[in-house]
Amino acid sequence: GAGVSQSPSNKVTEKGKDVELRCDPISGHTALYWYRQSLGQGLEFLIYFQGNSAPDKSGLPSDRFSAERTGGSVSTLTIQRTQQEDSAVYLCASSSSSGTSGYNEQFFGPGTRLTVL
Amino acid sequence: SQKIEQNSEALNIQEGKTATLTCNYTNYSPAYLQWYRQDPGRGPVFLLLIRENEKEKRKERLKVTFDTTLKQSLFHITASQPADSATYLCARPVSGGYNKLIFGAGTRLAVHP
Repeated sequence: GAGVSQSPSNKVTEKGKDVELRCDPISGHTALYWYRQSLGQGLEFLIYFQGNSAPDKSGLPSDRFSAERTGGSVSTLTIQRTQQEDSAVYLCASSSSSGTSGYNEQFFGPGTRLTVL
Repeated sequence: SQKIEQNSEALNIQEGKTATLTCNYTNYSPAYLQWYRQDPGRGPVFLLLIRENEKEKRKERLKVTFDTTLKQSLFHITASQPADSATYLCARPVSGGYNKLIFGAGTRLAVHP
């Protein structure tokens, strides 16, 4: 079956503009994650959706960042008033985990490379 | 706070040798550790999971160990090949969140012919 897909693959924007990044998880996966990866750095957790529970937004770096997940499937990460330091690769992952009983692997999309000029 | 530390320096080895990558964690031992492979321009790909009550886990040429005394996991690739060249990431679950992971920065492995 299809893996996790993300769009666009690349996004170049001007400082101050808003951007929307999209993630299509694997069908049936209840958990969805957004991460940010700067050049040569590890993955920085941003937000986590699990089923119908309230999302864990503890990793969002500022109130310019927000995300939603519609119908338990597609997710959109929105960055308002982009800054140059927002430039990074934004990765989405999904897993079939449920609650706290899962030891399940995360399946990652290819990422969206965001460049803020 | 919980941290995952991996050797940030690249590991260069000769084809056919065994590559050993280290992952150290802080605070209490997690219920499990996961290892991922990441190629340039791509998202990480899951390789192995090892539970805290497992000392060792194998998959083909891969072997992972989990030492709760040393708070360390070792990732071995035997009979390494140039195709094994990639960045390898270690991850642990966050306290109270079995499915929310903290990732290390990764170690880049280069296998030379």
